[in-house]
Amino acid sequence: EAGVAQSPRYKIIEKRQSVAFWCNPISGHATLYWYQQILGQGPKLLIQFQNNGVVDDSQLPKDRFSAERLKGVDSTLKIQPAKLEDSAVYLCASSAVGSSGIRPYEQYFGPGTRLTVT
Amino acid sequence: QKEVEQDPGPLSVPEGAIVSLNCTYSNSAFQYFMWYRQYSRKGPELLMYTYSSGNKEDGRFTAQVDKSSKYISLFIRDSQPSDSATYLCAMRKGQAGTALIFGKGTTLSVSS
Repeated sequence: EAGVAQSPRYKIIEKRQSVAFWCNPISGHATLYWYQQILGQGPKLLIQFQNNGVVDDSQLPKDRFSAERLKGVDSTLKIQPAKLEDSAVYLCASSAVGSSGIRPYEQYFGPGTRLTVT
Repeated sequence: QKEVEQDPGPLSVPEGAIVSLNCTYSNSAFQYFMWYRQYSRKGPELLMYTYSSGNKEDGRFTAQVDKSSKYISLFIRDSQPSDSATYLCAMRKGQAGTALIFGKGTTLSVSS
């Protein structure tokens, strides 16, 4: 089973520039999450989709961050304009709807995109 | 007060040692407790999953949850150099589609 794919793996931009990240979840997973992990911190949820609808975006800085999952499969997260404090690893995760096996609703994480804003 | 507190370490132990990792939390609504392992430059992977209070064992790993004290632990027996990673505790209130709240993570180094 292929895992969660993310690209690019690394990105360096200057402040006030824009950047976009892409995520392709595990096939068949209806729920997709974007997390921000600042160095030395645990991941923090930015936005959660179920199919192509937003379930939770309460911690998404909507003045600069946007995300979409148009066809209920892959997703993009955009930052415009970027600030220095946006330097972090952006993790995408996906999970199936409904319990399965011994680990219901397990979230599978991709390798992340490491963003450096200079 | 943060919802989930975890000592970031770092923690260094010799191979074969028993490792104890801990988290405390403040929200009594949390019901599902997880431990994730994150290797450098990789995404977190689920290691242990526990519902409510009690113990769960999986090979060299044991997860404990004490809801009365709002305290969870992960024990690693016979630690190996391959266990060197950051261990993140995580918890959530509901089962279906609710957000995970993570601790900061504890960095563990096991020397051979």
